[in-house]
Amino acid sequence: NAGVTQTPKFQVLKTGQSMTLQCAQDMNHNSMYWYRQDPGMGLRLIYYSASEGTTDKGEVPNGYNVSRLNKREFSLRLESAAPSQTSVYFCASSEDPRHEQFFGPGTRLTVL
Amino acid sequence: QQQVKQSPQSLIVQKGGISIINCAYENTAFDYFPWYQQFPGKGPALLIAIRPDVSEKKEGRFTISFNKSAKQFSLHIMDSQPGDSATYFCAATLGSGGSQGNLIFGKGTKLSVKP
Repeated sequence: NAGVTQTPKFQVLKTGQSMTLQCAQDMNHNSMYWYRQDPGMGLRLIYYSASEGTTDKGEVPNGYNVSRLNKREFSLRLESAAPSQTSVYFCASSEDPRHEQFFGPGTRLTVL
Repeated sequence: QQQVKQSPQSLIVQKGGISIINCAYENTAFDYFPWYQQFPGKGPALLIAIRPDVSEKKEGRFTISFNKSAKQFSLHIMDSQPGDSATYFCAATLGSGGSQGNLIFGKGTKLSVKP
């Protein structure tokens, strides 16, 4: 079992460019999450999907969109990247919101 | 309110010492309190968790102490080792599911254990 996988590992974008971060889990989990991690700010929830077919905003959703493609996959899209979106992005999954969340290895994104 | 406040931001402990990280929460409806450990370049991983029906939970060298009346909980690492050097996050959540079931994370504590 690979657990939670994320691609790419690193990405550099110019302001205004778009990109999609991919996330997949092989644990048959219902819930999936996207977080961003910035120094001194902890982990902040961007969007989550409590179950297949549903998505909802978290604490910092502005500038992002998500797609729960199927039970395994949950993607995060930046339509027009801004320097403020420079961060490390983590995808996570859990059986349900009250159970342990399993995190992927992260994507380090730099927006110039 | 939904905040979880964590202190200290950073902590330096000698090998063999006790590391203590504290968290305080505001929402009395929170009923699940996990701690996550994150090594550099890796994603966070669950270390230990507690529910408010007990005041303490111990797993090896790691102990959570929970004070419901004070709305505080803390992580104690006994006999701290250099391999414990990592960033630790406390978190809290409600049991009702929906958006209130999502984890609220503290801002993290960077622990360095000196040999």
